[in-house]
Amino acid sequence: AQSVSQHNHHVILSEAASLELGCNYSYGGTVNLFWYVQYPGQHLQLLLKYFSGDPLVKGIKGFEAEFIKSKFSFNLRKPSVQWSDTAEYFCAVNYDDYKLSFGAGTTVTVRA
Amino acid sequence: DVKVTQSSRYLVKRTGEKVFLECVQDMDHENMFWYRQDPGLGLRLIYFSYDVKMKEKGDIPEGYSVSREKKERFSLILESASTNQTSMYLCASNPMTADIEQFFGPGTRLTVL
Repeated sequence: AQSVSQHNHHVILSEAASLELGCNYSYGGTVNLFWYVQYPGQHLQLLLKYFSGDPLVKGIKGFEAEFIKSKFSFNLRKPSVQWSDTAEYFCAVNYDDYKLSFGAGTTVTVRA
Repeated sequence: DVKVTQSSRYLVKRTGEKVFLECVQDMDHENMFWYRQDPGLGLRLIYFSYDVKMKEKGDIPEGYSVSREKKERFSLILESASTNQTSMYLCASNPMTADIEQFFGPGTRLTVL
């Protein structure tokens, strides 16, 4: 499997702070990119995805991500987090077929 | 809404037991996947299937097998459970179209004693 790197294992921040989670992948060809989120006790759900077109994609709950092809990156951002954003976040990349390669995940803890 | 269900949320088994984890999806998806999720390792693909009776190994197939007799159902089998298979197991599905978002089930937390 191709590698997907998430730079931060655990991020702790206060409400209203800005969030940026890094994601880098190793494949140089065409990729499709995803961010999934797993809230405590819930199943994995899609936050946003990039297939083509505008490299700045907007997802649910005020999240956005920017695809920078030259840097092999797809970083996730939110300008002002809420306590309810406490969750684990996974970056995933599709290289071929229908398979996804996932990063190790970043746990985000938002303090009220 | 796509629904992916897994037979158990929590399961406790003993070393050497044969374990079956069941997954059912209700959206007529061609592709189905089994992952295990471990802290610090993210999700790792065990097996996937793109059609009935078809299967392909993922990144960590050792110690596992799968069965897909019907389109909606994909089973993960641990022939002889070991303690290092204690993990969270996630099932996912997606259609064989250009939109390759995967839809996940709630997971089964398996503990092997």
